[in-house]
Amino acid sequence: GAVVSQHPSRVICKSGTSVKIECRSLDFQATTMFWYRQFPKKSLMLMATSNEGSKATYEQGVEKDKFLINHASLTLSTLTVTSAHPEDSSFYICSAMTSGGLSSSYNEQFFGPGTRLTVL
Amino acid sequence: GNSVTQMEGPVTLSEEAFLTINCTYTATGYPSLFWYVQYPGEGLQLLLKATKADDKGSNKGFEATYRKETTSFHLEKGSVQVSDSAVYFCALSAGGGADGLTFGKGTHLIIQP
Repeated sequence: GAVVSQHPSRVICKSGTSVKIECRSLDFQATTMFWYRQFPKKSLMLMATSNEGSKATYEQGVEKDKFLINHASLTLSTLTVTSAHPEDSSFYICSAMTSGGLSSSYNEQFFGPGTRLTVL
Repeated sequence: GNSVTQMEGPVTLSEEAFLTINCTYTATGYPSLFWYVQYPGEGLQLLLKATKADDKGSNKGFEATYRKETTSFHLEKGSVQVSDSAVYFCALSAGGGADGLTFGKGTHLIIQP
């Protein structure tokens, strides 16, 4: 099946620094990727939709200047948490959507394993 | 706005027991409905889906029927195995799966031998 990787899997940083998280589709091309955030005991919350070659679309309440998203190629999207604060500590998950290939998986989202961010 | 409510766990069952995890939703229009499973240390995987009312999604012995009249999509399995232990998420998409998903909080299922 389609595989999505995230790097790093775990990161600890100091308050005020920036952290970049990569999301890669390893064996398929994804024109659309999604970024989610998961709090403990909470559901995944959609943060933004990332389309290759265009600006990301952010959900209401998500600061676009804090969470910078770049989708420069059909296999890579990055999320940069700028000037991180302890309240940004969370589990960040990306998904990549197939844009062709097997009809059975058309428009299916494949999820990465997530990145645990801890801001001290 | 859209929302998904599912029973919170942990749900602990013995092997070969019958499983039901309830899921109800609120959405405008006719959303597509999904169940995802997350095994320890892995990403979410699509378990099954249904795109219109009365559709039944099924996979690996799990089933769920899209009930528009009760806005529900309950997950069932007749005989669970230890390997089914995981976190299960109910989700909906207002755009047929082409948009971001709205998730429930997840249900942690523990199957004891």
